[in-house]
Amino acid sequence: RKEVEQDPGPFNVPEGATVAFNCTYSNSASQSFFWYRQDCRKEPKLLMSVYSSGNEDGRFTAQLNRASQYISLLIRDSKLSDSATYLCVVNLSGGGADGLTFGKGTHLIIQP
Amino acid sequence: DADVTQTPRNRITKTGKRIMLECSQTKGHDRMYWYRQDPGLGLRLIYYSFDVKDINKGEISDGYSVSRQAQAKFSLSLESAIPNQTALYFCATSDFGIPPAGTQYFGPGTRLTVL
Repeated sequence: RKEVEQDPGPFNVPEGATVAFNCTYSNSASQSFFWYRQDCRKEPKLLMSVYSSGNEDGRFTAQLNRASQYISLLIRDSKLSDSATYLCVVNLSGGGADGLTFGKGTHLIIQP
Repeated sequence: DADVTQTPRNRITKTGKRIMLECSQTKGHDRMYWYRQDPGLGLRLIYYSFDVKDINKGEISDGYSVSRQAQAKFSLSLESAIPNQTALYFCATSDFGIPPAGTQYFGPGTRLTVL
């Protein structure tokens, strides 16, 4: 089983709709969780961290389910500018690079 | 100015040539990383450094070497480039002292093509 798995998509969603996607991770000892956003041919940028209690940042909501070992990202009122690849990132250790694992990304396309 | 810079941004070279990719950061972070990204494979860690005297191999270090010249500079070398090293290369930094642990800041990337 892969360490961090994401549905590669693409997810084609009309503008204004709500879209959600999940990411599963294999190591139950994982400690930190993140969603990064990557635009085509650009560097990944941190979108938001994911906390155990769930957290919201504007139109974006992230949730963590430790029992089922997945994190989710919900985007409400989607905008054309939300089109990007969303990377799920899981940190196994207390911060060392050897514990940071990237998913391959979910490609989101918002259509006018 | 960007906090993490990479040079060159694009490079085309031939098999067997030695190539150096450079990374500089102004964030004051101790930790620096080199990744490569290939379509369908995601980001993979090549080398990482927690300080000037601490350099570690990542998942795919074969064929690569690194040098941490200073806290702010981390270079990646391909001693003898081969075509399957064609990829998008990212440098990143992080600071363990800034929670949550694992937040990384990426440079703009270097697109390398080996013919």
